[in-house]
Amino acid sequence: DSGVTQTPKHLITATGQRVTLRCSPRSGDLSVYWYQQSLDQGLQFLIQYYNGEERAKGNILERFSAQQFPDLHSELNLSSLELGDSALYFCASSGQGLDTQYFGPGTRLTVL
Amino acid sequence: QQQVKQSPQSLIVQKGGISIINCAYENTAFDYFPWYQQFPGKGPALLIAIRPDVSEKKEGRFTISFNKSAKQFSLHIMDSQPGDSATYFCAASKGYSTLTFGKGTMLLVSP
Repeated sequence: DSGVTQTPKHLITATGQRVTLRCSPRSGDLSVYWYQQSLDQGLQFLIQYYNGEERAKGNILERFSAQQFPDLHSELNLSSLELGDSALYFCASSGQGLDTQYFGPGTRLTVL
Repeated sequence: QQQVKQSPQSLIVQKGGISIINCAYENTAFDYFPWYQQFPGKGPALLIAIRPDVSEKKEGRFTISFNKSAKQFSLHIMDSQPGDSATYFCAASKGYSTLTFGKGTMLLVSP
């Protein structure tokens, strides 16, 4: 158990809809990362927050957004969902050293 | 542009054998190279990591070999066990920036 929690575990929705994925980092970790994992693309970095501020942006679509709240939990919002958005979404957190990332169990999103 | 290339895509090794997974990177500024292990239905977990000031790091049955001039690093699993069957990802980062992952290697250790 990495100490990172993600909810929900599974999410099934329809095209065009909007969903919110939630992540709670390990106790004391200030940095949160979001990744998308699909069979053909592997682990793709989406976005990083550090202590409430956006720190780095990867291959995140404009339809996706994220934020980190004062209690350090983070939410990833996915809107106007398409079939191709079906994937595993992982959250990871790291401490002050910022190198070792601890991954949560993921949210499996299925868009029908 | 894929900055970290991982091979092979899949690997079958007999119990007790040596599993070898290779990665090559392009960005010479990378200075942190971790390997992650992922079991089905779970998130990736850090297995072992190396920085370029050493050429090899060993932790139990797992060894990273690092070749700075060739911009390559590899994971060796000695005495592979069925419980090692998982997907392995190499990754790289510069300083405290974000990790760039390879596409993963599915390892199956046959009993």
